[in-house]
Amino acid sequence: DTGVSQNPRHKITKRGQNVTFRCDPISEHNRLYWYRQTLGQGPEFLTYFQNEAQLEKSRLLSDRFSAERPKGSFSTLEIQRTEQGDSAMYLCASSPRGGENETQYFGPGTRLLVL
Amino acid sequence: DAKTTQPNSMESNEEEPVHLPCNHSTISGTDYIHWYRQLPSQGPEYVIHGLTSNVNNRMASLAIAEDRKSSTLILHRATLRDAAVYYCILRDVWNYGGSQGNLIFGKGTKLSVKP
Repeated sequence: DTGVSQNPRHKITKRGQNVTFRCDPISEHNRLYWYRQTLGQGPEFLTYFQNEAQLEKSRLLSDRFSAERPKGSFSTLEIQRTEQGDSAMYLCASSPRGGENETQYFGPGTRLLVL
Repeated sequence: DAKTTQPNSMESNEEEPVHLPCNHSTISGTDYIHWYRQLPSQGPEYVIHGLTSNVNNRMASLAIAEDRKSSTLILHRATLRDAAVYYCILRDVWNYGGSQGNLIFGKGTKLSVKP
């Protein structure tokens, strides 16, 4: 297994357009997380899946954001009507199980620039 | 959630030891101390974690103060590849840090390594 992969790695879009990012977690990892990171800041939690169920959403996840994990494997994050403030790195992480010793494995991220 | 305080930046010389401090004066008895690092243009990666006792692994050592209000990540011989932002994160054994296991990142310490 090569780790968590994310596509695309970079995306440039115009304000008002919709964008979709994909995350492929490590095989058999049942937990999947999305984070957002802006320049100079640490990553911020957006949402989390246990298998196909979306169990938690941050208040950062506005109505324009939607995430899915239809078969409990890969996940997609869609942003509708993008705004310049959405420009950030979007990171995906997966883990095999929860618990205090849970290690999260991060992908390389998708860098979004909204013009 | 308990918060951590880290210096914004530190410098080290190559092949010398590096001690990265973290203060967590409001740590609770059920909080584990985790460290992640983020190399340039990559997602964060797990480094080490501990509860009360000092811990060693192939990447680093973690020294935890007796009162657990502070900890230090030790890189025994810094290399240029260790230049990264290092995050100290507390994870509650009952709530797994955030609402459902998400990591709560601060700004971290940016480590520069000089050849």
